[in-house]
This record gives sequence, C-alpha cells and structure tokens, in this order.
Amino acid sequence: QSALAQPASVSGSPGQSITMSCTGTTSDVGGYNVVSWYQKYPDKAPKLIIFEDTKRPSGVSNRFSGFKSGNTASLTISGLQDEDEADYYCCSYAGSSTWVFGGGTKLTVL
Amino acid sequence: QVQLVQSATEMKKPGASVKVSCTTSGYTFTSYHITWVRQAPGQGLEWLGRISTYTGDTSYAPKFQGRVTMTTDRSTKTAYMELTGLRSDDSAVYFCARRRESTFYFDYWGQGTLVTVSS
Repeated sequence: QSALAQPASVSGSPGQSITMSCTGTTSDVGGYNVVSWYQKYPDKAPKLIIFEDTKRPSGVSNRFSGFKSGNTASLTISGLQDEDEADYYCCSYAGSSTWVFGGGTKLTVL
Repeated sequence: QVQLVQSATEMKKPGASVKVSCTTSGYTFTSYHITWVRQAPGQGLEWLGRISTYTGDTSYAPKFQGRVTMTTDRSTKTAYMELTGLRSDDSAVYFCARRRESTFYFDYWGQGTLVTVSS
C-alpha cells in the first residue's frame, strides 16, 4: 500500500490558476471513482474540498475543481488567493476497506 | 453541530502504549464510521485504519496491523485508538474523522492529538 504520488510543491500568483496531480494505480485511484482532496493548514485539521473525484461539498468555493483520468486525479484552484496557501492531500479507497493518502503538495501563493 | 473532540496531548516512552479518544456529538454516532489518520512532523497524512461504529468491524493499514486497536463506546459516542510498542517515529498528531456508510470521504475531523514518544 504505497502513498499516492503528489508533487512536493506548486506555486502561483494571485488570480492565476494552478493544477496539482495525484497519481496512483488501478488498485486505488484508477479502480474507483472516489478520490477526495483535503486542504490542510499547519496545526489545523484537514478540510474536505473535493469528494468522489469531482464533487464539491456545500460551502467550498467553486474555485476548487477536481478531475480524474485513468490513474491520475488532479485538483485545480482558479483565481488563486492568499488564503489558498496550504498543503493539499489526495486520498483514495484502495480496496478491502483500506484507504491511502498522497504525500501532499505544498501550495505557495507568490 | 457536528463535533469530534479528541483527548489531550500525550508524552510516552519508547515501548509504551497510548490510547487516544474521539468523543462525538451532533449526529447519529452509529451512522458513521470513524477513521484514524496521523501526521508525523514534516510528513504527510497517513491512514491508520477504520472502525464501524455500528458493527465494531475494523480494518487496519498493513503497517500497523498487530500494533493498533480501534474500539468504540456507543454509550458515550466515543471512539478510541490504541497504539502499542511505541517508537520515536510514532511521534505524530493523530486525527479521527468520520465517514458515512457507503461513502469514501471524511467530512468532519477531530482537532488532533499530539503524541510524543521520547526517552
């Protein structure tokens, strides 16, 4: 059960759009339509921002969007704002009642 | 409102055990599974396992099998995670989170419990 692969860091300027990836295998990301994404600030609990690959929970900005193709999921944040600077984690069901997280991507707003 | 409130910071010596609690309120306890996730310093999130609050059924990450035990107390709507044989690399913030039956995401999280393992 290996962690999903995420780039260590991405960056963008306010107002720009960025996309980060999350790559797994056919046993996790590619095998189920249930990738979720979490936003995490230091010393805070993770916050759900995308579930079931593309859906947004109530109250989450529509600047956040999810996509998946094959074994790779992606998170796009449009109209970057300073408050978006955080760590982002993808997560997938991996079968047999187990889950796996990605290593996390640190987003820097320049 | 939905709340998951975790127990306080723990300091343990190598080889000891720790039991972290997660007391819930604001929803029907048995309608949601409880998952445990940890984050070591400078590291990412790591899934430890989950427990069905309705049946008590558990599943654990292979890495922790044999060292972790998850339980619940329906009367107090509390979930517990016990980790034995603590090592320094078990030092981390441990989170509980809820997941509705038949869904695959974690919508509410506890505030986290810092566990420090040091001699």
